[in-house]
Amino acid sequence: YVLTQPPSVSVAPGTTASITCGGKNIGSKAVHWYQQKTGQAPVLVMYDDSDRPSGIPERFSGSNSGNTATLTISRVEAGDEADYYCQVWDSSSDHRIFGGGTKVTVL
Amino acid sequence: EVQLVESGGGLVKPGGSLRLSCATSGFTFSSYTISWVRQAPGRGLEWVSYISSGSDYVSYSDSVKGRFTISRDNSKKSSFLQMDSLRVEDTAVYFCARDAIPAVGATNPSDYWGQGTLVTVSS
Repeated sequence: YVLTQPPSVSVAPGTTASITCGGKNIGSKAVHWYQQKTGQAPVLVMYDDSDRPSGIPERFSGSNSGNTATLTISRVEAGDEADYYCQVWDSSSDHRIFGGGTKVTVL
Repeated sequence: EVQLVESGGGLVKPGGSLRLSCATSGFTFSSYTISWVRQAPGRGLEWVSYISSGSDYVSYSDSVKGRFTISRDNSKKSSFLQMDSLRVEDTAVYFCARDAIPAVGATNPSDYWGQGTLVTVSS
């Protein structure tokens, strides 16, 4: 099972960043999203498609339907600059799969 | 405070072995699945393996199956990754991570991660 993410997304501060994660019938799977800043461990920012862990700002939201899951960051701030990874569990292989990651650059 | 601390990384020659450890504190270790995830230099995250709370369920990525062995010692609140027949392409920072939910569930996300330990495979 393959998850496809755009390598990069550039956004201006205060605008909205949308990060997509494509996979065959991904809408039937639970998608999780991680933020990783340079030199740091990943941080869970969204789980089960659209649930935010405690401490994650409401500016972060998620959706999942069909063949695409999306992490949306509203009112982007400089501190949101990071790599973002989607992740699912593939039942056919019993493997947890990560997408290739998307680098979000705040202009 | 939940903490996971990896150790055991280092420089090893191709074909060699290393055993990584993940020492934990701040939560009931015996209730949570633990995963290992790696990241090659300049690359993305790659899931390696996971082990359920009672060691009943383990799974490995195709790239390490047959060479790596995951285990845990609930009395020591630690997980281990025995890495044999190491290859140059195994060079990466290895993270251990805790499932967010204290129940067996392959779909669970990971909510706490260690800072990682670097494994370098080179002659």
